[in-house]
Amino acid sequence: DVKVTQSSRYLVKRTGEKVFLECVQDMDHENMFWYRQDPGLGLRLIYFSYDVKMKEKGDIPEGYSVSREKKERFSLILESASTNQTSMYLCASSSSTSPGTGGHNQPQHFGDGTRLSIL
Amino acid sequence: ELKVEQNPLFLSMQEGKNYTIYCNYSTTSDRLYWYRQDPGKSLESLFVLLSNGAVKQEGRLMASLDTKARLSTLHITAAVHDLSATYFCAVGSNYQLIWGAGTKLIIKP
Repeated sequence: DVKVTQSSRYLVKRTGEKVFLECVQDMDHENMFWYRQDPGLGLRLIYFSYDVKMKEKGDIPEGYSVSREKKERFSLILESASTNQTSMYLCASSSSTSPGTGGHNQPQHFGDGTRLSIL
Repeated sequence: ELKVEQNPLFLSMQEGKNYTIYCNYSTTSDRLYWYRQDPGKSLESLFVLLSNGAVKQEGRLMASLDTKARLSTLHITAAVHDLSATYFCAVGSNYQLIWGAGTKLIIKP
């Protein structure tokens, strides 16, 4: 079974702090994703990565950055946390069915989420 | 721009009844997914639909895809309380998935 592990289930930080959310997957997946989930807004993609050191902006990248130095690990960074970044953050990973050709039929597998509160 | 609309957004129903959740999307796509989320939990993949006319069933849930109508349905047969959850559809767009807002399903005994 795919295992996607997020470093914290709950996190409380202060405005202006730099916050790191870590995600590790154990299935050698090429693709990794960071979402935030807010009531009534569904899932919104922040950033994703399709290879080591590669990253692409999603729908709401402002105020965030990411790092993917190793294939299994994808980090989300809040450069200077603000109260409007209080949310549930979900990490996901998926494999490409046709490596090198961009096939993306496999479902995304999610971690348990990090509920982040910025005070 | 690909947009995904689910309806209804909220559904309360009695055990034993049948109902359908609808997922419409605005541009062509080659794949559609259904996920389940229990309160306070993460998302669990239910179905992957990859072709027109695809139908998949698992227990009391059945999902289908009509790519010409850009419509997928999730049908619940003889609902039981354990199926209470929020159900999301998501449509593939290159590397990404575009998500519906979710349907919160409450099944009353």
